[in-house]
Amino acid sequence: DTGVSQDPRHKITKRGQNVTFRCDPISEHNRLYWYRQTLGQGPEFLTYFQNEAQLEKSRLLSDRFSAERPKGSFSTLEIQRTEQGDSAMYLCASSLVRGFYNEQFFGPGTRLTVL
Amino acid sequence: DQQVKQNSPSLSVQEGRISILNCDYTNSMFDYFLWYKKYPAEGPTFLISISSIKDKNEDGRFTVFLNKSAKHLSLHIVPSQPGDSAVYFCAGDSNYQLIWGAGTKLIIKP
Repeated sequence: DTGVSQDPRHKITKRGQNVTFRCDPISEHNRLYWYRQTLGQGPEFLTYFQNEAQLEKSRLLSDRFSAERPKGSFSTLEIQRTEQGDSAMYLCASSLVRGFYNEQFFGPGTRLTVL
Repeated sequence: DQQVKQNSPSLSVQEGRISILNCDYTNSMFDYFLWYKKYPAEGPTFLISISSIKDKNEDGRFTVFLNKSAKHLSLHIVPSQPGDSAVYFCAGDSNYQLIWGAGTKLIIKP
């Protein structure tokens, strides 16, 4: 399967714990994105990478959140000292940018529940 | 501020009829608009897009219309099929990120 994969699919943690999610994009894609989606809302942009460089971070992304894409392939999103408000679906997407067109392919998401 | 709005949380349509999903936007800088479809427990799946310089794009049963003066786009599905039941998101492409509406849940009745 050559789609975007995310691991784990579900994560339940206690408030104050650290969690890390992994995303494996489509192999030839140069851009990788992280989004967060809460119930009844569309995905909200968090950050994106062009190859290994993190080019943009949303103001939504507090200092407790950090993302890496060390070799321009897979990416990790870490949340430190989780809070109940962090409970959401975390979506990863990748794209191969050609000119202005930027179709993003999404993984199945990681559902985080903070107790 | 909500740059992309989908004002109908849900829509119910008879199988075989036309489904029309609407989306309004405020940001004139979007280069492209995209529609995604989402089933429960899955990530969004790309459906169809339209460039900001076009007013219509068609792909099989799916047609997207763009009215730039009204800052409005719509997705037409005809004929609607049971497998079309899902949540539909419209999104504006602002260079590096997609700005999403809240989604419309489409229910196709047999």
